[in-house]
Amino acid sequence: QKEVEQDPGPLSVPEGAIVSLNCTYSNSAFQYFMWYRQYSRKGPELLMYTYSSGNKEDGRFTAQVDKSSKYISLFIRDSQPSDSATYLCAMSGRGSARQLTFGSGTQLTVLP
Amino acid sequence: DVKVTQSSRYLVKRTGEKVFLECVQDMDHENMFWYRQDPGLGLRLIYFSYDVKMKEKGDIPEGYSVSREKKERFSLILESASTNQTSMYLCASSSGLAGGPTGYEQYFGPGTRLTVT
Repeated sequence: QKEVEQDPGPLSVPEGAIVSLNCTYSNSAFQYFMWYRQYSRKGPELLMYTYSSGNKEDGRFTAQVDKSSKYISLFIRDSQPSDSATYLCAMSGRGSARQLTFGSGTQLTVLP
Repeated sequence: DVKVTQSSRYLVKRTGEKVFLECVQDMDHENMFWYRQDPGLGLRLIYFSYDVKMKEKGDIPEGYSVSREKKERFSLILESASTNQTSMYLCASSSGLAGGPTGYEQYFGPGTRLTVT
């Protein structure tokens, strides 16, 4: 079993929709939870991070962590075509170089 | 702005060739990482380094080696390229600073799409 499981998608939604992206994990040692966004033919970029259970908002994006259920989510409100990308969850908590464990990514397309 | 650069965007090599992928970061980061990214498999860690000349195997090190002679540069070497090493290769760096999530944030290069024929 993988340490981090992510809904694979692909996901296709109309512009303006609310999008929910999800990951589950099995390692209780994970401390920090991140979401990366990767546009086509580019490297991933950090979108948001959280480190405690609850919600964190940044504009149209909300990251949610439920440590008791080992479940994290990213919500995108009023989705735009520019949000079309692959979203990767990532989690930390181990290793000499503070390595991250990544989910496999969810490809999102927002249709105009 | 942190910048991570990779030597090539696209590379085509033949089976059995020795391949060098170079990565340079300009933020004096302690940690550097090499991943490969394949559809449905996400990012898989090949090797990482937490200091000059220090390296550790990641999850899929077989068929690869690395070199970090200078802090800003981390090279991935495919000793004898094989077709199953056709993939997107991503380099990343992080500060490794203790005391919070900032030290974990990884900054990625644009990737090298390697095709082995």
